[in-house]
Amino acid sequence: QSALTQPPSASGSPGQSVTISCTGTSGDVDIYNFVTWYQQHPGKAPKVMIYEVTKRPSGVPDRFSGSRSGNTASLTVSGLQAEDEASYYCSSYVGSNNLVVFGGGTELTVL
Amino acid sequence: QVQLQESGPGLGKPSGTLSLTCAVSGGSISTSNWWSWVRQPPGKGLEWIGEIYHSGRTNYNPSLKSRVTMSVDKSKNEFSLKLSSLTAADTAVYYCARDLIGGDYVLYYWGQGTLVTVSS
Repeated sequence: QSALTQPPSASGSPGQSVTISCTGTSGDVDIYNFVTWYQQHPGKAPKVMIYEVTKRPSGVPDRFSGSRSGNTASLTVSGLQAEDEASYYCSSYVGSNNLVVFGGGTELTVL
Repeated sequence: QVQLQESGPGLGKPSGTLSLTCAVSGGSISTSNWWSWVRQPPGKGLEWIGEIYHSGRTNYNPSLKSRVTMSVDKSKNEFSLKLSSLTAADTAVYYCARDLIGGDYVLYYWGQGTLVTVSS
Protein backbone atom coordinates (compact mmCIF):
# COMPACT_ATOMS: atom_id res chain seq x y z
CA GLN A 1 0.00 0.00 0.00
CA SER A 2 1.48 3.36 -1.05
CA ALA A 3 1.83 6.18 1.39
CA LEU A 4 -0.55 9.11 1.17
CA THR A 5 0.74 12.10 -0.79
CA GLN A 6 1.41 15.39 0.94
CA PRO A 7 3.30 18.48 -0.23
CA PRO A 8 6.74 18.50 1.40
CA SER A 9 6.44 22.08 2.55
CA ALA A 10 3.97 24.87 3.20
CA SER A 11 4.31 28.34 4.63
CA GLY A 12 2.37 31.39 5.71
CA SER A 13 2.74 34.58 7.67
CA PRO A 14 1.35 35.03 11.16
CA GLY A 15 -2.39 35.52 11.05
CA GLN A 16 -2.78 33.97 7.62
CA SER A 17 -4.39 30.65 6.77
CA VAL A 18 -2.68 27.68 5.19
CA THR A 19 -4.12 24.43 3.88
CA ILE A 20 -2.21 21.15 3.64
CA SER A 21 -3.51 18.42 1.36
CA CYS A 22 -3.34 14.66 1.71
CA THR A 23 -4.17 12.60 -1.36
CA GLY A 24 -4.83 8.91 -1.24
CA THR A 25 -5.59 6.22 -3.75
CA SER A 26 -8.98 4.62 -4.17
CA GLY A 27 -9.93 2.73 -1.07
CA ASP A 28 -8.48 4.78 1.74
CA VAL A 29 -9.13 8.50 2.21
CA ASP A 30 -12.18 8.42 -0.03
CA ILE A 31 -14.20 5.75 1.70
CA TYR A 32 -13.08 5.59 5.31
CA ASN A 33 -13.67 8.27 7.93
CA PHE A 34 -10.46 7.21 9.70
CA VAL A 35 -8.38 10.16 8.51
CA THR A 36 -6.16 11.66 11.19
CA TRP A 37 -3.83 14.65 11.21
CA TYR A 38 -0.79 14.75 13.48
CA GLN A 39 1.47 17.65 14.45
CA GLN A 40 5.07 16.87 15.29
CA HIS A 41 7.63 19.27 16.67
CA PRO A 42 11.33 18.33 16.36
CA GLY A 43 12.33 15.66 18.85
CA LYS A 44 8.77 15.15 20.06
CA ALA A 45 6.14 12.49 19.56
CA PRO A 46 3.29 13.24 17.17
CA LYS A 47 0.12 14.84 18.55
CA VAL A 48 -3.40 14.37 17.19
CA MET A 49 -4.85 17.60 15.81
CA ILE A 50 -7.80 16.23 13.78
CA TYR A 51 -9.35 12.77 13.72
CA GLU A 52 -12.19 11.12 11.80
CA VAL A 53 -11.63 13.70 9.02
CA THR A 54 -13.13 16.70 10.87
CA LYS A 55 -13.14 16.11 14.62
CA ARG A 56 -10.92 18.11 16.92
CA PRO A 57 -9.71 16.67 20.26
CA SER A 58 -10.24 18.75 23.36
CA GLY A 59 -7.40 21.16 23.87
CA VAL A 60 -6.66 21.63 20.16
CA PRO A 61 -7.35 25.21 19.10
CA ASP A 62 -10.31 25.73 16.78
CA ARG A 63 -7.88 27.35 14.36
CA PHE A 64 -7.27 23.79 13.17
CA SER A 65 -9.91 22.23 10.95
CA GLY A 66 -10.19 19.23 8.66
CA SER A 67 -12.13 18.46 5.53
CA ARG A 68 -12.29 15.97 2.67
CA SER A 69 -13.20 16.02 -0.99
CA GLY A 70 -13.07 12.73 -2.82
CA ASN A 71 -9.73 11.07 -2.19
CA THR A 72 -8.09 14.22 -0.81
CA ALA A 73 -8.22 15.24 2.83
CA SER A 74 -7.12 18.69 3.95
CA LEU A 75 -5.93 20.35 7.12
CA THR A 76 -6.46 24.09 7.40
CA VAL A 77 -4.67 26.19 9.98
CA SER A 78 -6.24 29.62 10.35
CA GLY A 79 -4.70 32.58 12.13
CA LEU A 80 -1.20 31.11 11.93
CA GLN A 81 0.90 31.42 15.04
CA ALA A 82 4.61 30.86 15.57
CA GLU A 83 3.97 27.71 17.58
CA ASP A 84 2.20 26.13 14.60
CA GLU A 85 5.56 25.73 12.89
CA ALA A 86 6.00 21.96 12.83
CA SER A 87 5.67 18.91 10.60
CA TYR A 88 2.18 17.65 9.87
CA TYR A 89 1.32 14.10 8.89
CA CYS A 90 -1.96 12.66 7.68
CA SER A 91 -2.90 9.04 8.12
CA SER A 92 -5.72 6.83 6.92
CA TYR A 93 -7.01 3.38 7.57
CA VAL A 94 -6.86 1.04 4.61
CA GLY A 95 -9.37 -1.77 4.76
CA SER A 96 -7.34 -4.34 2.91
CA ASN A 97 -4.82 -5.92 5.29
CA ASN A 98 -6.23 -3.79 8.14
CA LEU A 99 -3.42 -1.33 8.02
CA VAL A 100 -2.70 2.31 8.61
CA VAL A 101 -0.78 4.42 6.11
CA PHE A 102 0.84 7.79 6.68
CA GLY A 103 1.53 10.66 4.35
CA GLY A 104 5.12 11.69 3.79
CA GLY A 105 4.69 14.76 5.96
CA THR A 106 4.50 18.51 5.36
CA GLU A 107 6.87 20.92 7.04
CA LEU A 108 4.95 24.08 7.89
CA THR A 109 6.96 27.28 8.21
CA VAL A 110 5.54 30.40 9.79
CA LEU A 111 7.32 33.26 8.06
CA GLN B 1 -3.95 9.67 31.99
CA VAL B 2 -2.39 6.82 30.05
CA GLN B 3 1.38 6.98 29.73
CA LEU B 4 3.59 4.85 27.54
CA GLN B 5 7.33 4.26 27.86
CA GLU B 6 9.50 2.42 25.39
CA SER B 7 12.59 0.54 26.47
CA GLY B 8 15.19 -1.62 24.82
CA PRO B 9 18.70 -1.62 23.40
CA GLY B 10 19.63 1.44 21.40
CA LEU B 11 21.93 -0.55 19.14
CA GLY B 12 21.11 -3.48 16.91
CA LYS B 13 23.39 -5.56 14.72
CA PRO B 14 22.82 -6.22 11.01
CA SER B 15 20.94 -9.49 10.52
CA GLY B 16 20.07 -9.45 14.22
CA THR B 17 16.75 -8.97 16.01
CA LEU B 18 15.48 -5.81 17.66
CA SER B 19 13.45 -6.22 20.84
CA LEU B 20 11.52 -3.34 22.35
CA THR B 21 9.01 -3.15 25.16
CA CYS B 22 6.34 -0.57 25.88
CA ALA B 23 5.28 -0.19 29.51
CA VAL B 24 1.75 1.07 30.03
CA SER B 25 0.84 3.10 33.12
CA GLY B 26 -2.27 4.97 34.16
CA GLY B 27 -4.55 2.29 32.75
CA SER B 28 -4.87 -1.38 31.95
CA ILE B 29 -3.63 -2.93 28.75
CA SER B 30 -6.71 -5.16 28.83
CA THR B 31 -9.13 -2.57 27.55
CA SER B 32 -10.88 -2.24 24.19
CA ASN B 33 -7.91 -0.38 22.78
CA TRP B 34 -5.33 -1.43 20.23
CA TRP B 35 -1.63 -0.91 20.92
CA SER B 36 0.62 0.10 18.05
CA TRP B 37 4.24 0.50 17.04
CA VAL B 38 5.30 3.30 14.69
CA ARG B 39 8.80 4.14 13.54
CA GLN B 40 10.48 7.20 12.07
CA PRO B 41 13.90 7.06 10.38
CA PRO B 42 16.05 10.11 11.13
CA GLY B 43 14.79 13.09 9.15
CA LYS B 44 12.02 11.07 7.51
CA GLY B 45 8.33 10.36 7.90
CA LEU B 46 6.25 8.02 10.04
CA GLU B 47 5.73 4.35 9.25
CA TRP B 48 3.09 2.20 10.95
CA ILE B 49 4.58 -1.15 11.93
CA GLY B 50 1.49 -2.82 13.34
CA GLU B 51 -0.88 -3.20 16.26
CA ILE B 52 -1.89 -5.71 18.88
CA TYR B 53 -4.97 -6.27 21.03
CA HIS B 54 -4.75 -7.58 24.59
CA SER B 55 -6.07 -10.93 23.34
CA GLY B 56 -2.96 -11.27 21.20
CA ARG B 57 -4.69 -10.53 17.91
CA THR B 58 -2.38 -8.61 15.60
CA ASN B 59 -2.35 -6.60 12.39
CA TYR B 60 1.00 -5.97 10.72
CA ASN B 61 2.16 -3.70 7.93
CA PRO B 62 2.49 -6.04 4.93
CA SER B 63 5.87 -4.52 4.07
CA LEU B 64 7.28 -5.68 7.42
CA LYS B 65 5.03 -8.63 8.21
CA SER B 66 7.61 -11.33 7.53
CA ARG B 67 10.00 -9.81 10.10
CA VAL B 68 7.63 -8.54 12.82
CA THR B 69 6.30 -10.22 15.94
CA MET B 70 4.24 -8.41 18.57
CA SER B 71 3.18 -9.76 21.93
CA VAL B 72 1.35 -8.68 25.08
CA ASP B 73 2.23 -9.42 28.70
CA LYS B 74 -0.89 -8.62 30.69
CA SER B 75 0.77 -9.48 34.01
CA LYS B 76 3.31 -6.72 33.42
CA ASN B 77 0.90 -4.38 31.63
CA GLU B 78 3.23 -4.11 28.68
CA PHE B 79 3.52 -5.06 25.04
CA SER B 80 6.53 -5.82 22.89
CA LEU B 81 7.95 -5.65 19.39
CA LYS B 82 10.47 -7.94 17.77
CA LEU B 83 11.90 -7.08 14.36
CA SER B 84 14.26 -9.59 12.77
CA SER B 85 16.81 -9.56 9.93
CA LEU B 86 17.86 -6.03 10.73
CA THR B 87 19.51 -3.76 8.17
CA ALA B 88 20.65 -0.16 8.32
CA ALA B 89 17.26 0.83 6.90
CA ASP B 90 15.68 -0.18 10.21
CA THR B 91 17.54 2.60 12.01
CA ALA B 92 14.77 4.80 13.39
CA VAL B 93 13.02 6.23 16.40
CA TYR B 94 10.51 3.62 17.48
CA TYR B 95 7.31 4.79 19.15
CA CYS B 96 4.62 2.83 20.91
CA ALA B 97 1.12 4.26 20.86
CA ARG B 98 -2.50 3.60 21.86
CA ASP B 99 -5.63 4.45 19.98
CA LEU B 100 -8.25 6.84 21.31
CA ILE B 101 -11.34 4.75 21.87
CA GLY B 102 -10.69 1.31 20.45
CA GLY B 103 -10.41 0.37 16.82
CA ASP B 104 -10.57 3.97 15.68
CA TYR B 105 -7.05 4.13 14.18
CA VAL B 106 -6.38 7.38 16.02
CA LEU B 107 -2.95 7.08 17.65
CA TYR B 108 -3.74 9.37 20.55
CA TYR B 109 -1.32 8.37 23.28
CA TRP B 110 2.36 8.08 22.41
CA GLY B 111 5.54 7.16 24.15
CA GLN B 112 8.50 9.50 23.92
CA GLY B 113 10.20 7.24 21.39
CA THR B 114 13.46 5.37 21.50
CA LEU B 115 16.22 5.57 18.91
CA VAL B 116 17.49 2.27 17.58
CA THR B 117 20.62 2.34 15.45
CA VAL B 118 21.52 -0.70 13.36
CA SER B 119 25.25 -0.92 12.95
CA SER B 120 28.04 -3.43 13.26
